[in-house]
Amino acid sequence: KAGVTQTPRYLIKTRGQQVTLSCSPISGHRSVSWYQQTPGQGLQFLFEYFSETQRNKGNFPGRFSGRQFSNSRSEMNVSTLELGDSALYLCASSLGGTAQETQYFGPGTRLLVL
Amino acid sequence: AQKITQTQPGMFVQEKEAVTLDCTYDTSDQSYGLFWYKQPSSGEMIFLIYQGSYDEQNATEGRYSLNFQKARKSANLVISASQLGDSAMYFCAMREGVGSNFGNEKLTFGTGTRLTIIP
Repeated sequence: KAGVTQTPRYLIKTRGQQVTLSCSPISGHRSVSWYQQTPGQGLQFLFEYFSETQRNKGNFPGRFSGRQFSNSRSEMNVSTLELGDSALYLCASSLGGTAQETQYFGPGTRLLVL
Repeated sequence: AQKITQTQPGMFVQEKEAVTLDCTYDTSDQSYGLFWYKQPSSGEMIFLIYQGSYDEQNATEGRYSLNFQKARKSANLVISASQLGDSAMYFCAMREGVGSNFGNEKLTFGTGTRLTIIP
């Protein structure tokens, strides 16, 4: 079974631009979660989607948004990029039926904002 | 207060020795899950092991075992017979509300321990 895939793997943007990151979950997984990893703040939960609905949300500004499609693929969008948005963005998928299930992570997208 | 505390920023261990990575947690939930992930320099988070709060036995997965001490709120990862490929960052994470029907996928992570295996 193929793992979680994320595209693109690397991205360079300038302040003020917007960016869209994509995540394809493991086949059969309906839940997709997004995390931001920075040296200063560590790993922080952004949001989670299940069956095209946002089910959980972390403490991030409204510039960070996401969506999920009927095939469970998810996109994350960051508008008006700031230097502090430079980070590794990880997505994780799980079956989503019960909270005991393991989340499996993708390789991440490294975003650099100049 | 930190929900997940990993007090060892870095560790150096001789190849083939066992190593214990510390993790303590803080929650008022009765139902929760504890996870360990490995993150090599490539960035991908690799799932290692899971322990549910109601599991009576310590979890084991191959060379990995979890020393779960509920009263002390600790969930230490033990790697037996360490290998060079074990060099990576290791993160302890917790999911709360595991027993509820409502899905709570949020994982709270610790700051990680960088493990270096010395040949």
